[in-house]
Amino acid sequence: NAGVTQTPKFQVLKTGQSMTLQCAQDMNHNSMYWYRQDPGMGLRLIYYSASEGTTDKGEVPNGYNVSRLNKREFSLRLESAAPSQTSVYFCASNGFGRGPANYGYTFGSGTRLTVV
Amino acid sequence: AQTVTQSQPEMSVQEAETVTLSCTYDTSESDYYLFWYKQPPSRQMILVIRQEAYKQQNATENRFSVNFQKAAKSFSLKISDSQLGDAAMYFCAYRSWLQGGSEKLVFGKGTKLTVNP
Repeated sequence: NAGVTQTPKFQVLKTGQSMTLQCAQDMNHNSMYWYRQDPGMGLRLIYYSASEGTTDKGEVPNGYNVSRLNKREFSLRLESAAPSQTSVYFCASNGFGRGPANYGYTFGSGTRLTVV
Repeated sequence: AQTVTQSQPEMSVQEAETVTLSCTYDTSESDYYLFWYKQPPSRQMILVIRQEAYKQQNATENRFSVNFQKAAKSFSLKISDSQLGDAAMYFCAYRSWLQGGSEKLVFGKGTKLTVNP
C-alpha cells in the first residue's frame, strides 16, 4: 500500500548511544517531516525537508540531525541519546495527490523510543 | 506564531450519542487549512476531516462534521452516533507557513475520547 514507512517500530537505547530512524514515502511528495509526541504536548516538529536536498530546523531540533537522502527518504539521527529524547517519533510527508482535493499529510506508524 | 488550543484534555460519551470536541486557534492569515486527526491505541495518525478556510460550508465526513467559525477562530468536531471504535486521542491541527514557502502542521495537545457502552 502507498504511504509512509518508518523503521524501527520500537527501540531501547542506553544514554549516549546513537541511532538512526528511517523513513520512506512512495507518494512522490516533496515535503517530509519528523515530529515527536510526548504526553500532554501534542506533536512537535523536530526537522523538516521542503524538497530533496534541503532541510531545516523545527521547534525542537536540539540533539537531532537529519538527512534527506533522496526524494523518498528522510532519516533522523540521534548522535548521543538522552533520557529526554524518550518519545514517540513520527515521520510524515505532504503533497497534493490527484488534484488539490487530495491534499493532505500522511503519517508513518511511529517509533516508540526509550532511552535509559 | 500560530497556536492551537484544545481545552478539553478528556471527554466521554455514551455509545450512540453525540459529542463535540473543541478547538480554537490563533492566526493572522486569511487562507489556511484546519484538520482533525484521530490517534487510536495503535498510534496511527488518521485524518478525520479537513476544512479549507475559504469555504464557508462546514466539512462533513459521514458521522463526523465540523463547526467552523472563522471570525471566532473556532473549529469544533462533532461525532454523531458515537461508536466504540471512535475511542481515541483526537488532535486539532492548523497548517502553518514556514520561511521559503514551505509549510508544517501545528498541533493542539489533544483530547482523549472515551466511548462508554
